[in-house]
Amino acid sequence: NAGVTQTPKFRVLKTGQSMTLLCAQDMNHEYMYWYRQDPGMGLRLIHYSVGEGTTAKGEVPDGYNVSRLKKQNFLLGLESAAPSQTSVYFCASSYSWGSGSGYEQYFGPGTRLTVT
Amino acid sequence: GNSVTQMEGPVTLSEEAFLTINCTYTATGYPSLFWYVQYPGEGLQLLLKATKADDKGSNKGFEATYRKETTSFHLEKGSVQVSDSAVYFCALSDRAAGNKLTFGGGTRVLVKP
Repeated sequence: NAGVTQTPKFRVLKTGQSMTLLCAQDMNHEYMYWYRQDPGMGLRLIHYSVGEGTTAKGEVPDGYNVSRLKKQNFLLGLESAAPSQTSVYFCASSYSWGSGSGYEQYFGPGTRLTVT
Repeated sequence: GNSVTQMEGPVTLSEEAFLTINCTYTATGYPSLFWYVQYPGEGLQLLLKATKADDKGSNKGFEATYRKETTSFHLEKGSVQVSDSAVYFCALSDRAAGNKLTFGGGTRVLVKP
């Protein structure tokens, strides 16, 4: 049971380049989330998904797109990277509310992205 | 909207000292409350949680009580160790919208031998 995994761990992009971050979970969780972490600002929700094929915007969605084609995977895309997107990105997953199995979020190890 | 405010760090302590990190929240409805811990270079791990008023969450010697009257969820530990050095995040969960978490800004704790 690997929990939540993220690839890649590190990435450097030039302004205007695109990339996709992959998140995978093996806990059969319904809900998945993407956060970014910036110094002194805690974690801010970018997008989230409450089930396969569904996505919704979080607090800071601009400049990002997501897809949830399979229940276990949640992809975060940057179409045209900007220096303001330099950050550490965390993926998380949880059971749905009321599932009786707990609803806390489980986090991946993070992806450190630098945009120059 | 929902918000979480926690004390700014860094907090520097000596080993075996008492630790308190204040956390207050603003929320509509009845949120669940969490403390997450982030060790250097790692992701966040759930430390403890409380789902309703007056619940006490506890784990690894840490405790926090859900106080609805003061909208607070302060984290405490009676005797810290060097291994407790980390960043601690208070958070609340909005069950009405996909269990979204709203985080405080984090408090860095440094425990010196």
